[in-house]
Amino acid sequence: DTEVTQTPKHLVMGMTNKKSLKCEQHMGHRAMYWYKQKAKKPPELMFVYSYEKLSINESVPSRFSPECPNSSLLNLHLHALQPEDSALYLCASSQESLIARLLFGSGTRLTVV
Amino acid sequence: AQRVTQPEKLLSVFKGAPVELKCNYSYSGSPELFWYVQYSRQRLQLLLRHISRESIKGFTADLNKGETSFHLKKPFAQEEDSAMYYCALKSENQGGKLIFGQGTELSVKP
Repeated sequence: DTEVTQTPKHLVMGMTNKKSLKCEQHMGHRAMYWYKQKAKKPPELMFVYSYEKLSINESVPSRFSPECPNSSLLNLHLHALQPEDSALYLCASSQESLIARLLFGSGTRLTVV
Repeated sequence: AQRVTQPEKLLSVFKGAPVELKCNYSYSGSPELFWYVQYSRQRLQLLLRHISRESIKGFTADLNKGETSFHLKKPFAQEEDSAMYYCALKSENQGGKLIFGQGTELSVKP
């Protein structure tokens, strides 16, 4: 399995809802990332996990809460989001020794209503 | 400050024409640079890295330290090359962070 898999592909949620995005990889990559991407804009880094520990938090609002339960799985918990949080959320992974050679998932298209 | 600049938001060429997507960077040390590509409705993927000096899908990119540039070139553009292209720089002081340029949308017309 040489892919990063993200679920769901699409998500519509209200501002009072709680939802979670899921990301999975089985390539043995020990670095995993969450990015946010608006249309025709570059991806913006949100979080980096290295060996299941949070190593970078790009000052992301607390309504986004990442979790790395094991080396293959990465979650992003969402609560009390705003409409401006609507975007494509991308997960990526890389080998620790080849950081920056990222393998991206296809993303979750999130709409906050 | 570490920065990546892609001056062209949109580049439109005809099929068979040469194409050059510009990328300039600012970096104090020895940079690691990448080109990522995002085709319509497909995932963002690595196109090439300057370290490997490879040619992927006919594209090449040469690091020019004197001009602090890493332009992406292809001698004969194809319609299937139409996509968003992002130049990226590995952060010097934050392991795991890529600094992306704003992207250039390449449109290859028949």
